[in-house]
Formats: sequence, C-alpha cells, structure tokens
Amino acid sequence: NAGVTQTPKFQVLKTGQSMTLQCAQDMNHEYMSWYRQDPGMGLRLIHYSVGAGITDQGEVPNGYNVSRSTTEDFPLRLLSAAPSQTSVYFCASSKSYRQGVNYEQYFGPGTRLTVT
Amino acid sequence: GDSVTQMEGPVTLSEEAFLTINCTYTATGYPSLFWYVQYPGEGLQLLLKATKADDKGSNKGFEATYRKETTSFHLEKGSVQVSDSAVYFCALSMDFGNEKLTFGTGTRLTIIP
Repeated sequence: NAGVTQTPKFQVLKTGQSMTLQCAQDMNHEYMSWYRQDPGMGLRLIHYSVGAGITDQGEVPNGYNVSRSTTEDFPLRLLSAAPSQTSVYFCASSKSYRQGVNYEQYFGPGTRLTVT
Repeated sequence: GDSVTQMEGPVTLSEEAFLTINCTYTATGYPSLFWYVQYPGEGLQLLLKATKADDKGSNKGFEATYRKETTSFHLEKGSVQVSDSAVYFCALSMDFGNEKLTFGTGTRLTIIP
C-alpha cells in the first residue's frame, strides 16, 4: 500500500491563479480531510468528507473547494490564490466515521504552497 | 470553542535525558486526546492516544496520561534518543473517533548526541 499520497510536493503560484492539490489513498478509507499547517498555529481543518459524494466544511474553508467523486481521491481546489493561502497542506484519511469508534488517521507527506 | 495549548518550543535535550512536553486542553465535553509526531519531511503519525480519564497511552517509550482534573495530557519519555528529534503535536477530538482533530501549535524537539 502506498498509503496517502499528495501531489505536488511544492508549488509556487501568483496571486489570482488557480490550482488543484491532489490527494489519493489506496486503503479504501471512507473518511478524508484536508488541513493547513501554519507557523505557530498547528494544523487547522479546511474540509472533510465522510464518503464519496459527501463533503463538509471545517474550521477554515474560505477560498477552498472540494469534491469527492471516488473513495480514493479528495482534491482541494484553490480558485483564486491569495498570499494568505501560503501554507503547508496535509491530506488525511481514516477507515470510517462512526460515533463511538476510534480509527487512526493517516496523513500524507504534505504540499508546500507559496503564493506571491 | 475547543482548544489545545502546548509547551512552547523549541526544546533541545541531550541524549538519554528525560523528556516532558506539556499539553493542556479546553473542551466542553470529554474529548479523546492524541499525540502526533512529525519527522522531518514527512506527514504526521499517530504516536499515542487516550479516550477517557485516567487512560494512559504509550508507544515507543513515550507515555501520556489523560488527567481530567487538570485537563492535561503531558508527553513523557524516560530516555530520549537522537531519532526522537521531531515536531510533536497534541490534539483532541470531540467526535469520539479521531476525525476533526483540534491541534496544538506543535513543539520542536532536538536531541543532541
């Protein structure tokens, strides 16, 4: 198993450009999520999905779109990049999303994005 | 809202020293608590967890005990190694499972030989 993979590893964008950060997992996990990591702020949840066709907002969703057409993939779209979106982005997945059940989350290696 | 406060870093220790990284939380209910570790250039990995008061999580020589009375989950290791150099994150989840994690700011640990 490759686990959780993210592409690209690094990206530089100009303000106003759009791009998609890719995330894929080969563990047949139902739950997937996106976090951003900023200095001095830890990781913050952007969007999450409890299964194909179902997405919801996290703590900091503004400026980002997601969709989940397959179990394996959960891309994150920046429609018009802003310098405030300069960050390291992590995708994570876990087996399921069930009340009362504890499943470990697996994180990808991250994408470092710089917006100038 | 829910939050996690972590010991400020960076922390530098000599090999075989005793490690404590403090973590306290604020939550409206009874969260599950986690420690994640991020090695250089990698994503986060779950190090240990505890889901109810007085539970002790342990892994790779690290331990943390869920203390409801002090709302704390301090990470400890009796004898650190150079390979323990990493960033450590304390986190909580109110969703019973560990989805929708709330993270602390992270503590960078460097162990010198």
